[in-house]
Amino acid sequence: DAGVIQSPRHEVTEMGQEVTLRCKPISGHDYLFWYRQTMMRGLELLIYFNNNVPIDDSGMPEDRFSAKMPNASFSTLKIQPSEPRDSAVYFCASSLMMGRGTSGANVLTFGAGSRLTVL
Amino acid sequence: AQSVTQLGSHVSVSEGALVLLRCNYSSSVPPYLFWYVQYPNQGLQLLLKYTTGATLVKGINGFEAEFKKSETSFHLTKPSAHMSDAAEYFCAVSYTGGFKTIFGAGTRLFVKA
Repeated sequence: DAGVIQSPRHEVTEMGQEVTLRCKPISGHDYLFWYRQTMMRGLELLIYFNNNVPIDDSGMPEDRFSAKMPNASFSTLKIQPSEPRDSAVYFCASSLMMGRGTSGANVLTFGAGSRLTVL
Repeated sequence: AQSVTQLGSHVSVSEGALVLLRCNYSSSVPPYLFWYVQYPNQGLQLLLKYTTGATLVKGINGFEAEFKKSETSFHLTKPSAHMSDAAEYFCAVSYTGGFKTIFGAGTRLFVKA
């Protein structure tokens, strides 16, 4: 398996523009997570899905952020409109449901991240 | 509620010296504990995990960690540092039946020649 694949790896945009980040999880994984990493706040969980259904979006900062998972092999995180404070590295991670294949622990496999810079 | 505290945002050791990265957790239920490593411009990779059973857990690259319930700690150690160990290390906690993983702030390890 190629692992969790994220695109784009780097995105530079201007304030007010729409940004779409993409993620392809590992085949067979039934959980997908979106994290944001900044120097000030560290790693923050934004939202996670189980079997393509959003379970907890309490970490999504505000209505400008939205995430979808139309099928088991694809998810998007959209920011509209973008602001300079959204600049961060956004990680997607996937995992198997606990108790299957991972000795009962929810082990995350991360993508390489998408570095977003909003000017 | 769960939380993780990593003591020291930066740790510097000489090559060949002991590596000790500290992690304390707070959890109202029996925790699952993890250490992840992040190399520059990469995503996080699992180093080791504790679920149940033996409290001394061995991971990749010679790292190990010991779960101490009485101290609510899960410190990461390696007997002899190598230059390639320079990276950022994250302690994390979750629990059985829970799907959120909470990460600590991270500790950046520097290895001096």
